[in-house]
Amino acid sequence: DSGVTQTPKHLITATGQRVTLRCSPRSGDLSVYWYQQSLDQGLQFLIQYYNGEERAKGNILERFSAQQFPDLHSELNLSSLELGDSALYFCASSVAGGLGEQFFGPGTRLTVL
Amino acid sequence: AQKITQTQPGMFVQEKEAVTLDCTYDTSDQSYGLFWYKQPSSGEMIFLIYQGSYDEQNATEGRYSLNFQKARKSANLVISASQLGDSAMYFCAMREGQGAGGTSYGKLTFGQGTILTVHP
Repeated sequence: DSGVTQTPKHLITATGQRVTLRCSPRSGDLSVYWYQQSLDQGLQFLIQYYNGEERAKGNILERFSAQQFPDLHSELNLSSLELGDSALYFCASSVAGGLGEQFFGPGTRLTVL
Repeated sequence: AQKITQTQPGMFVQEKEAVTLDCTYDTSDQSYGLFWYKQPSSGEMIFLIYQGSYDEQNATEGRYSLNFQKARKSANLVISASQLGDSAMYFCAMREGQGAGGTSYGKLTFGQGTILTVHP
């Protein structure tokens, strides 16, 4: 157990819908990262938050947004879902903004029908 | 240009034997970190080992060691005494130092992965 929690574990929804994925980092970790794993794109970095502020952005679609709350948990919002958004979404956390190991949560498997 | 290359889509090893999974990387940064993760069929990403670019000694964690050859830009994972439970996908990843504009704050770039199968 990495200490990073993600909910829900599985999510099945329809095209055009909106979903929210939730992540709680390990105790003491200030930085949260979101990654998407799909068969065609592999593992890709989406976005990073550090102590409540956006720190870095990857290939995140405009339909996707995220935030980190004062208690350091983070949410990834995916809207106007398309079939191609079906993927495994991981949250990871680390102690500092860029240094140290990143520990991954169990992931949320999103299926868009 | 691909920054992390794992050239072995699949590898097979006999139980109790050692196996090396290859990883090469490309970066112009002097400060960077290299990671290996294991992803079993259940899907979770398990951190295995980390090597910093300034670390002079190769990292080791139990049966895992990282063969770091900086001049060749390679960071191969060595698993000694393979076990059936080692069968999984293995990913090499790199965290670069500050990128252009100072925006690379810790994001990981992953290779395509290597599927390791351990035979009894």
